[in-house]
Amino acid sequence: DAKTTQPPSMDCAEGRAANLPCNHSTISGNEYVYWYRQIHSQGPQYIIHGLKNNETNEMASLIITEDRKSSTLILPHATLRDTAVYYCIVRPGEGQKVTFGTGTKLQVIP
Amino acid sequence: GAGVSQSPRYKVAKRGQDVALRCDPISGHVSLFWYQQALGQGPEFLTYFQNEAQLDKSGLPSDRFFAERPEGSVSTLKIQRTQQEDSAVYLCASSLRGSGYTFGSGTRLTVV
Repeated sequence: DAKTTQPPSMDCAEGRAANLPCNHSTISGNEYVYWYRQIHSQGPQYIIHGLKNNETNEMASLIITEDRKSSTLILPHATLRDTAVYYCIVRPGEGQKVTFGTGTKLQVIP
Repeated sequence: GAGVSQSPRYKVAKRGQDVALRCDPISGHVSLFWYQQALGQGPEFLTYFQNEAQLDKSGLPSDRFFAERPEGSVSTLKIQRTQQEDSAVYLCASSLRGSGYTFGSGTRLTVV
């Protein structure tokens, strides 16, 4: 069973920030939150990950609540190429299987 | 190579035929995972290797599915006597210890 809950779909206007929420209320203290996205006909692509501090890279920002039970992926200026399915996963210890849910289908609208 | 390479990209098999799907992970990546993705669903875990050792095969749906990684690099997922329900995209991912996964583009298997 997936350890995360995400809305099935979201729309975002081109150029606006896209904020994708994720609930992971059963996360353990040593488990990281990872975000991936999957564009049609491609494998999932790594975006960002974090443990308890907010993180930012060239693709996105990750905001993790203080209790670590939820997080938000922020795409600051969404483009049409950001249209994809976004997966939030909780990564357990090394070698343990990662369970994907069904993700959030983000549609960026011109 | 620069990424995870999977071949073939597409495979059409007649029901009952055996297939072999290949994964070339990123050089030096210790961990290798196979996932199965049905249309409209998220990837489902099949099996995990650490070097040549298959440490978790709990996701393999039946004994018709077999995976190997004999030298700790290239891996092959074999499906015997394919059935229509085996039609899916098969994804391979590799990682260094403690890092995120890098996925290949997958093999789309269609059983007719």
